[in-house]
Parts: sequence; structure tokens; C-alpha cells
Amino acid sequence: AQSVTQPDIHITVSEGASLELRCNYSYGATPYLFWYVQSPGQGLQLLLKYFSGDTLVQGIKGFEAEFKRSQSSFNLRKPSVHWSDAAEYFCAAGGDSSYKLIFGSGTRLLVRP
Amino acid sequence: DAGVIQSPRHEVTEMGQEVTLRCKPISGHNSLFWYRQTMMRGLELLIYFNNNVPIDDSGMPEDRFSAKMPNASFSTLKIQPSEPRDSAVYFCASLSSRALLGIVFGQGTRLTVV
Repeated sequence: AQSVTQPDIHITVSEGASLELRCNYSYGATPYLFWYVQSPGQGLQLLLKYFSGDTLVQGIKGFEAEFKRSQSSFNLRKPSVHWSDAAEYFCAAGGDSSYKLIFGSGTRLLVRP
Repeated sequence: DAGVIQSPRHEVTEMGQEVTLRCKPISGHNSLFWYRQTMMRGLELLIYFNNNVPIDDSGMPEDRFSAKMPNASFSTLKIQPSEPRDSAVYFCASLSSRALLGIVFGQGTRLTVV
């Protein structure tokens, strides 16, 4: 069955520290992969996406993600977290008929001053 | 572009009442989605329209839910009659065929059924 797993429900980091949010997928083929961010009371905003090619993709707000086929992972990283990054982050996967994105359960990021 | 516009942002209604949620997708986007978000179930796709035609409504929980897209710039999600378990945040999202799968979400409607 197709699935997206975000193993960390909550992560707390200090402002200025580096961040890595984990995402693993189970899919029949290499899916299209996405990271979205949701601030409280807001909709989901696309941070970055991977379709093919370079496995390290750059997104908005200084985020990047690396696709690792061997590990079925698409982890999100940021070298230095800002307090404004506190939000919930969702990993998602889709295929050719990728209107039907499969979302992970989300990771809530808390930023310690 | 103003993005995907949803109304109302918040809705409180009594059990048994009809609720209508509204969505205006981004101009030029030919795909529209309704999602529901709850703590228990996360994000669920309810229905997907392409060129105003419902393509996949397998996520619609039951007959009390219905969705329409009478034209390219407007869609509604109706719940009749509403029940407390329908309380959730409902998101509308749209997608352009030229945007290589970057679904754009609205800000959501928080529905509370009491």
C-alpha cells in the first residue's frame, strides 16, 4: 500500500540550530515528493518538490530536501532555524495521476528561544 | 493573484443544519480539490474536480456530503444534515496543468458543529 511516514510527531530545536525532518515513503514507483508547511490557522504552503534529476532540491525560506532512493526517504533540512519556522510540516507523495497526494501525518516543529 | 479563496473562514452551526462551504480557485487552474483535516485522521482528500467535472469522489465520507463546481471559478462543499463528527478544517486547493503538480491550498474553513 502507498504511504508516507513522518516518524517524528514533535521536534524541538533551539533557534539557530540545524534541523532535519524525516520522511519515508512506500510507493510502487519513484513518486513525486513534496514538503508543505502549515502555520497555525493557515493553509498548507508548498516549500519544495522533487520530480526527477538532482536529488537535492532547494525550496523557499532556506529549506532543502534530499531524495534518497535507496532509503525511500525525502528528508527536509535547514541549516539554521528561525523562530518563525515554528509550524507543522507535511511530507506528501504522488504519482503520474498525482492529484491524489498521500500526506504524512505531519511533524510539529517547536523553536526554543 | 489572491490565491485560493475560501469562505467562510469559521463556521459554527447546530447539529442537523445545512452547511455550505465555498471556494474560488486560482484563475487558470483547472483542477480543484476539497480536503478535510482532523487531529485523528490528518489530511483526507474528499473530492477532486478536473475542468469542473468530478473525477474522484471516493473520499466523500457519506451521502450527507456533496460538492459541486458549476464553473471554473467556483465550487461548494455542502453537508446536510451536519453532525458533530463533521467538525474539522476543510481546505480547498487548486492546481494548474502547467504547474507540475504544485497544489495550492486555501486558508481553510474551520467548521464546528455543536
